[in-house]
Amino acid sequence: EAQVTQNPRYLITVTGKKLTVTCSQNMNHEYMSWYRQDPGLGLRQIYYSMNVEVTDKGDVPEGYKVSRKEKRNFPLILESPSPNQTSLYFCASSSGQLTEKLFFGSGTQLSVL
Amino acid sequence: AQSVTQPDIHITVSEGASLELRCNYSYGATPYLFWYVQSPGQGLQLLLKYFSGDTLVQGIKGFEAEFKRSQSSFNLRKPSVHWSDAAEYFCAVGTGNQFYFGTGTSLTVIP
Repeated sequence: EAQVTQNPRYLITVTGKKLTVTCSQNMNHEYMSWYRQDPGLGLRQIYYSMNVEVTDKGDVPEGYKVSRKEKRNFPLILESPSPNQTSLYFCASSSGQLTEKLFFGSGTQLSVL
Repeated sequence: AQSVTQPDIHITVSEGASLELRCNYSYGATPYLFWYVQSPGQGLQLLLKYFSGDTLVQGIKGFEAEFKRSQSSFNLRKPSVHWSDAAEYFCAVGTGNQFYFGTGTSLTVIP
């Protein structure tokens, strides 16, 4: 089954404690991206990747890192989380053509205390 | 600045009534346009998309949307709403290497 898998689904952490949210897709997609969803703000893109070792900033990259060492994986790293990074995070992937839809993971609800 | 605007934060309709959700965008060229639906606790699912051709596009679950270049709009419609349509709806634009989403419209369906 074609899917994007994010882990964990829920995460509670404290300020400054490094964390990683994993994202994996099984569709051989070239394009992967991370979004955060906040009430009243919709989804905002954090980072995206057009292919292995190719990443670029989205609209809200501050405080986040990503890597794309393998085609299927695109982890999101918060080196020093802060409370304003409390949000619902989604990973998504697509074939890379803008005409093609994004496949979304189920989301990671992150709370930073 | 590039933007996607969904002016209605929340809409309530009766089951069986018609529905129209508004979306406006501001970009230089005709972008690729999408509508996604998010059910509670779920990721987003594509309803329909437009990138060229017929300006009225059909999607899943009985939804349709019409692209109007003169109004920079891509409104979503459904002639008869079902209780299962209660969800959050997002309009999105694909341009450059990125996708931009509106702030969403929450739909409540009352019996």
